[in-house]
Amino acid sequence: EDQVTQSPEALRLQEGESSSLNCSYTVSGLRGLFWYRQDPGKGPEFLFTLYSAGEEKEKERLKATLTKKESFLHITAPKPEDSATYLCAVQESTGGTSYGKLTFGQGTILTVHP
Amino acid sequence: NAGVTQTPKFQVLKTGQSMTLQCAQDMNHEYMSWYRQDPGMGLRLIHYSVGAGITDQGEVPNGYNVSRSTTEDFPLRLLSAAPSQTSVYFCASSPGQIAYEQYFGPGTRLTVT
Repeated sequence: EDQVTQSPEALRLQEGESSSLNCSYTVSGLRGLFWYRQDPGKGPEFLFTLYSAGEEKEKERLKATLTKKESFLHITAPKPEDSATYLCAVQESTGGTSYGKLTFGQGTILTVHP
Repeated sequence: NAGVTQTPKFQVLKTGQSMTLQCAQDMNHEYMSWYRQDPGMGLRLIHYSVGAGITDQGEVPNGYNVSRSTTEDFPLRLLSAAPSQTSVYFCASSPGQIAYEQYFGPGTRLTVT
C-alpha cells in the first residue's frame, strides 16, 4: 500500500529563515510526486510535479527536489505570506482499481513570523 | 476560466437526509474526482471519473454515489447522511489521469448532526 509521510507536522520560522519540508514515500513505482499549498478554508493549490529522482523545480522562494525515497520542499528567505499547509502526494505507476489515484500525506503547517 | 466550482460552500444536514454536492469545471478536463479531508487523515479519494459516463470507486466510497453525464459536471450524492460524513469535500479535475496535476475546487464544509 502506498504511504506518504510528511515531516515536521508543524514548522515555525522567522521571516528570512530558510528551511526544508520533507515528504518520504513508499510506492511500488512512482508515476509522479506532487506538491500543493493549502490556505485555511481553501482548496489545495498546485505547486510542482516531479517525475524522477534528481529532478528539481523552482517557483519564487520554493524549490522542490526528488530522490528515490523522498522529496524536499526548500523555502528560501520565507515571508509571512508563505504561511500555509504544504501537502505532498504521490501517484503510483501501476493501474488497477485505483488508476490515477493520488495518495496524500497529512501535510506540514508552516507559519512564518514577521 | 472559473476553474473548478463547488456548491454549496457550507451545509448542515440531519442524520438520514440526502443531498447532492455540485461540482463543475470549465477547463474541458477528462478526469474528475472527489476527496474528503478530515483532521489527521489527510485527503482521501471517494470516487473518480475518467470521462463522461465512466466512474469508479476510490478509497472511501461507502455512502456516496456519483454520476458523470457531461464532461463539465460531477455531482456527489449522499444517500442517507451520517455523522461520520461530517467533513470538508473537495472536487478536483485534471487533463488526464496519469502524472497530470489535479486542480481543486474551494470545498464544501458539511456537518451532519
